[in-house]
Amino acid sequence: DIVMTQSPDSLAVSLGERATINCRSSQSVLSSSTNKNYFSWYQQRPGQPPKLLIYWASTRESGVPDRFSGGGSGTDFTLTISSLRAEDVAVYYCQQYLTVPFTFGQGTKLEI
Amino acid sequence: QLQLQESGPGLVKPSETLSLTCAVSGGSITSTSYYWGWIRQPPGKGLEWIGSIFYSGHTYYNPSLKSRVTVSVDTSKNQFSLKLSSVTAADTAVYYCARHVMTLIRGEGPGWFGPWGQGTLLTVSS
Repeated sequence: DIVMTQSPDSLAVSLGERATINCRSSQSVLSSSTNKNYFSWYQQRPGQPPKLLIYWASTRESGVPDRFSGGGSGTDFTLTISSLRAEDVAVYYCQQYLTVPFTFGQGTKLEI
Repeated sequence: QLQLQESGPGLVKPSETLSLTCAVSGGSITSTSYYWGWIRQPPGKGLEWIGSIFYSGHTYYNPSLKSRVTVSVDTSKNQFSLKLSSVTAADTAVYYCARHVMTLIRGEGPGWFGPWGQGTLLTVSS
């Protein structure tokens, strides 16, 4: 199985500041045949189901604010929130979909 | 707007079989662009993918659960279901259903999940 490890486990950022969350996969999720990273990010607000933010490592889902951006390739990825807003308080998860089983990171809790 | 809604018993006894259903509205479960998946989240913990199904019945399962899991689809009712046998306290979790989006790359299967249902808490206890 591909193990996804996020860092940090929790993060406190001031309103209006930048937040960066990291995710590392135990093996590369970059496909040599498609040259795509099989990687996504989710946001889970308190008491809510997860919501897709980004797929293909950097493609924003429709309706997701452009302050959210994804980057990285291979085994190391980042989710950046450029200017934190109160509604961004949530747990963020990464996921790989290169191989079965599809696996998630343990989550990063983002607080103000 | 696509919506998914889980339903289930809420409480199951150890060694019994858990059965959950996910009703899909606002879109057809027979779309060729999507699988339909189950993911669970133990209280206070992270996400674990259980299995996914295409409208034709093709499935992907998590090998760690495969011996106990059956995912099925009922296209006439626009819903899909999860059965998990021989449950223990370790199976206590919020169970989510979600649309599992295909990568649309030739020969490949599903990738990311969205949208998700609200989830249903399943407790295993005698």
